[in-house]
Amino acid sequence: EAQVTQNPRYLITVTGKKLTVTCSQNMNHEYMSWYRQDPGLGLRQIYYSMNVEVTDKGDVPEGYKVSRKEKRNFPLILESPSPNQTSLYFCASNRDRGSYNEQFFGPGTRLTVL
Amino acid sequence: QKEVEQDPGPLSVPEGAIVSLNCTYSNSAFQYFMWYRQYSRKGPELLMYTYSSGNKEDGRFTAQVDKSSKYISLFIRDSQPSDSATYLCAISNTGTASKLTFGTGTRLQVTL
Repeated sequence: EAQVTQNPRYLITVTGKKLTVTCSQNMNHEYMSWYRQDPGLGLRQIYYSMNVEVTDKGDVPEGYKVSRKEKRNFPLILESPSPNQTSLYFCASNRDRGSYNEQFFGPGTRLTVL
Repeated sequence: QKEVEQDPGPLSVPEGAIVSLNCTYSNSAFQYFMWYRQYSRKGPELLMYTYSSGNKEDGRFTAQVDKSSKYISLFIRDSQPSDSATYLCAISNTGTASKLTFGTGTRLQVTL
């Protein structure tokens, strides 16, 4: 089954404790993205990657890191989480098909930083 | 001003009603217009996709784009309880990059 998977689905942590949210896709997509979703603000892009070892900032990159060492994986790293990073996080992937870029989303990771 | 504005709702309608969901946007460079549907505790899924102005129909769903007014709409005919979800408009000025700008989403509840 074609899908984007994220782990963990739920995470409660404390300020300053480094964490990683994993994302994997099995569709051989070139592009992968991370979004956060907050009430009243909608989905905002954090980082995206156009292919292995190629990443760029989205709209809200501060406090986050990413890496793309393999095509299928795109982990999101919070080196020193803070309470304002409490949010619902989505990973997405899409193929580069020129005029059509349907993004496939994972199930989400709900993060709470105390 | 936000690049994409969308009424958050919630919108509650009876089964069988026609639903109209709308977004406005500010950047005339946007060319690709999408509607995603997000069920509770799930990731968004692409529902409709249109390029430039005009209408596109898929079953009970019609997407409409008016670039002169910078206004996009999604119409749902004969709404069903299974249509209860949050609907997000998404807009892009390129078909190749991963850059989508999303509206905040409108929560729709279709009641029996």
